[in-house]
Amino acid sequence: DQQVKQNSPSLSVQEGRISILNCDYTNSMFDYFLWYKKYPAEGPTFLISISSIKDKNEDGRFTVFLNKSAKHLSLHIVPSQPGDSAVYFCAASGYGGATNKLIFGTGTLLAVQP
Amino acid sequence: SQTIHQWPATLVQPVGSPLSLECTVEGTSNPNLYWYRQAAGRGLQLLFYSVGIGQISSEVPQNLSASRPQDRQFILSSKKLLLSDSGFYLCAWGTGREQYFGPGTRLTVT
Repeated sequence: DQQVKQNSPSLSVQEGRISILNCDYTNSMFDYFLWYKKYPAEGPTFLISISSIKDKNEDGRFTVFLNKSAKHLSLHIVPSQPGDSAVYFCAASGYGGATNKLIFGTGTLLAVQP
Repeated sequence: SQTIHQWPATLVQPVGSPLSLECTVEGTSNPNLYWYRQAAGRGLQLLFYSVGIGQISSEVPQNLSASRPQDRQFILSSKKLLLSDSGFYLCAWGTGREQYFGPGTRLTVT
């Protein structure tokens, strides 16, 4: 049972336009959500996170939106740059005491065309 | 600042051979430590996590084991590798809700 889903395996966007990456979850106990960026043969890099008490968090060109009723979150990148081309993973966690385990989606490959 | 190291970066091992991957963290104390595997074309699967020295929890039954002999050292092992153990292994640390990943080890079992 996949609790975090990224239904689009890939996305292609023109440089300067907006990239929107989507993520759905099924577990209503999740209360913290994260986005990671991963280049080939490297470890994922933490990008941005959002707590379930918020519906939006912004950091520079990156904004994450959370719709709790729809169990949906999205990452907006504006403007998109060729260096943003990578695999993006969303992850979720519920408050589990000391462990803070993350459940990851399967990733979306973003290609930003110059 | 905190840094996380993993070695080796790449490894090619025959089926049935042992495995030892090491991960160390600098610049933080008493972190949670995690081992993940990314199989080809798939997401990140949590294998083990540790909240302290000697404390290991396994997420999936498998051919692998983990140990934490020191506060900032996490080791992934196997006595006999299987072909299905091939993948990209990632170590991560965290003290809050975020986790920070190492560079990973590409393991190919032949």
